[in-house]
Amino acid sequence: AQSVTQLDSQVPVFEEAPVELRCNYSSSVSVYLFWYVQYPNQGLQLLLKYLSGSTLVKGINGFEAEFNKSQTSFHLRKPSVHISDTAEYFCAVSLQAGGTSYGKLTFGQGTILTVHP
Amino acid sequence: SAVISQKPSRDICQRGTSLTIQCQVDSQVTMMFWYRQQPGQSLTLIATANQGSEATYESGFVIDKFPISRPNLTFSTLTVSNMSPEDSSIYLCSVQDLGGADEQYFGPGTRLTVT
Repeated sequence: AQSVTQLDSQVPVFEEAPVELRCNYSSSVSVYLFWYVQYPNQGLQLLLKYLSGSTLVKGINGFEAEFNKSQTSFHLRKPSVHISDTAEYFCAVSLQAGGTSYGKLTFGQGTILTVHP
Repeated sequence: SAVISQKPSRDICQRGTSLTIQCQVDSQVTMMFWYRQQPGQSLTLIATANQGSEATYESGFVIDKFPISRPNLTFSTLTVSNMSPEDSSIYLCSVQDLGGADEQYFGPGTRLTVT
């Protein structure tokens, strides 16, 4: 079975500062990796995903993440945050392709990013 | 991208009663899923809704408590039966297309409070 650990439950930062939200995963088989954002009282929105290829993945709203297979990590970064980035961020994995596990997402516990003026 | 709607958006129910949540997608999709997000917690997969057959439940979830229907490729329902305060959660449906971009889209969620 796979698992996801988000190392920080809350991350406070000041506006225009850089931010990194950490995510580690565990799986005995290859996985796809995702970051979702949940704004207050809204559903989940996909920020970015890693399926294969380049380990540096760029997403929406200026976010990017780097897949590190040796460290089983998929940390999310943004060089300069804005007040509007205040939200909860979820890292998730799914097993690669095929079978009854297709599409099932396992989520981390979430990281609340709070951007202060 | 798929556009997903859920009804109701929120409800307050008495313990012992049941609530059926509807999930409607604007296009035909292969996979539909139901997740639960308990207060202050992450999302947990309840089941995969299978079109024309019984849903596939994850460990810890049973059909008697969470019956699911999926009569076609654009619609599914989740019923929360014999509710208790522990069932207070946000329930989200999500969809994904086989052969698509391996991207899963989520509905806005149904916020359920059981008193």
